[in-house]
Amino acid sequence: DAGVIQSPRHEVTEMGQEVTLRCKPISGHNSLFWYRQTMMRGLELLIYFNNNVPIDDSGMPEDRFSAKMPNASFSTLKIQPSEPRDSAVYFCATKSDGNTEAFFGQGTRLTVV
Amino acid sequence: AQSVTQLGSHVSVSEGALVLLRCNYSSSVPPYLFWYVQYPNQGLQLLLKYTTGATLVKGINGFEAEFKKSETSFHLTKPSAHMSDAAEYFCAVSEERAAGNKLTFGGGTRVLVKP
Repeated sequence: DAGVIQSPRHEVTEMGQEVTLRCKPISGHNSLFWYRQTMMRGLELLIYFNNNVPIDDSGMPEDRFSAKMPNASFSTLKIQPSEPRDSAVYFCATKSDGNTEAFFGQGTRLTVV
Repeated sequence: AQSVTQLGSHVSVSEGALVLLRCNYSSSVPPYLFWYVQYPNQGLQLLLKYTTGATLVKGINGFEAEFKKSETSFHLTKPSAHMSDAAEYFCAVSEERAAGNKLTFGGGTRVLVKP
């Protein structure tokens, strides 16, 4: 298996633009997590899904952020409109219910200028 | 609610010396505990985990950690540091749930290995 695949690896966008980050989970994994990593706040859980259903979105910073999981093999995290303070590395991680280990993608480094 | 505290955001060790990274947690139920490593520009990779059973767990690359319930700790050690151990290390806790098992991470400890 290729692991958790995130795209793009790097994204530079202007303030006010819409940004969409993508994640393809490992086949068979039914839990998916979106994390944000910054120097100031470390690793923060934004939202997680189980069987394509959002379970906990309490970490989503504000209404500008939204996440979807339309099927078991794809998830998106959208920021609209983006702001410079959204600059961070965004990680997607997935796991199966029968396993305690979460596997991480390589992340998307977002820079909003 | 669960939380994780890692003492020391930066640790410097000499090559061949002991590596000790401290982690304390709080959890309302018996926890699952993890150490992850992150190399520059990479995602997180699992080093080791404790779920149940033996409290001393061994992981990859010669690392091990001991779960001490009375101290609510899960410190990570390696007897002899190697240059390739330079990375950032994250302790994490999760609580078993019917679905999800979300991880809460500590702030991370960046390890520098001196020749």
